[in-house]
Amino acid sequence: GESVGLHLPTLSVQEGDNSIINCAYSNSASDYFIWYKQESGKGPQFIIDIRSNMDKRQGQRVTVLLNKTVKHLSLQIAATQPGDSAVYFCAEAFGNEKLTFGTGTRLTIIP
Amino acid sequence: NAGVTQTPKFRVLKTGQSMTLLCAQDMNHEYMYWYRQDPGMGLRLIHYSVGEGTTAKGEVPDGYNVSRLKKQNFLLGLESAAPSQTSVYFCASSPWTSLTKNIQYFGAGTRLSVL
Repeated sequence: GESVGLHLPTLSVQEGDNSIINCAYSNSASDYFIWYKQESGKGPQFIIDIRSNMDKRQGQRVTVLLNKTVKHLSLQIAATQPGDSAVYFCAEAFGNEKLTFGTGTRLTIIP
Repeated sequence: NAGVTQTPKFRVLKTGQSMTLLCAQDMNHEYMYWYRQDPGMGLRLIHYSVGEGTTAKGEVPDGYNVSRLKKQNFLLGLESAAPSQTSVYFCASSPWTSLTKNIQYFGAGTRLSVL
C-alpha cells in the first residue's frame, strides 16, 4: 500500500505564533485526508478532514490545505497555545474502509 | 457518552501467555479497528471489521486474532505473546457514512509489555 510521510519529525513554536505542520502523501488516487492530534498518554483525536475535491478547509483555529499537484497536505494552527502541544498525524484514504497514517510530527510550544 | 472504551489499560505478560483486549463502543458504529503504535512508526492496522460477524486483516495481522460477535464489541486476542508484541494498542470505531467518510474515533489505548 501507499505510505504517508511527514517532512519534519519535530516542530517548536513560540506561544501565540502560527504553526504549520506538513505532510507528503504518495498515493495520487487518495481522495480523503484527516489530521489527528495525540496528546501524551491518550488516543488520537480527530481535528479536521478534507476531501480531494477541495484545496482548503477551515475549522476553529485550524486550516488544512491540500495541494494535489505536489501531493502535499498541511495543517495550520493559528495563535498556538500550550494545549496544542502534541503529536500530529495525517492520514489518507482511497475509497475503502482503511486509513493509512503517517509517522507523526511532535509540536512543542515554547512559552 | 463514553465513546470508545478499552480494557485493560495496562498489562504485563510473559512470553507464551495469552490474553484478550476488549474494545467497546456506544456510538452504534458499523466499523471497528485495532491498531498498534510503536515509537517512530505511527499507527499500523492489525485487523478491522466492517460489521457484526465480519473481520478482515490489516497491515500487521500475524500473531493476532479478532472477533466481532456483537456490534458494539471488538476483541483482540494474542494466543502466544511474544516480546515483539510489546506496544500500545488502540481501538477505533467509525460510522463510515458518505458524509463523514472514515473519521475514526479512538479509545485511550492499552499498554502491553511482553517479557
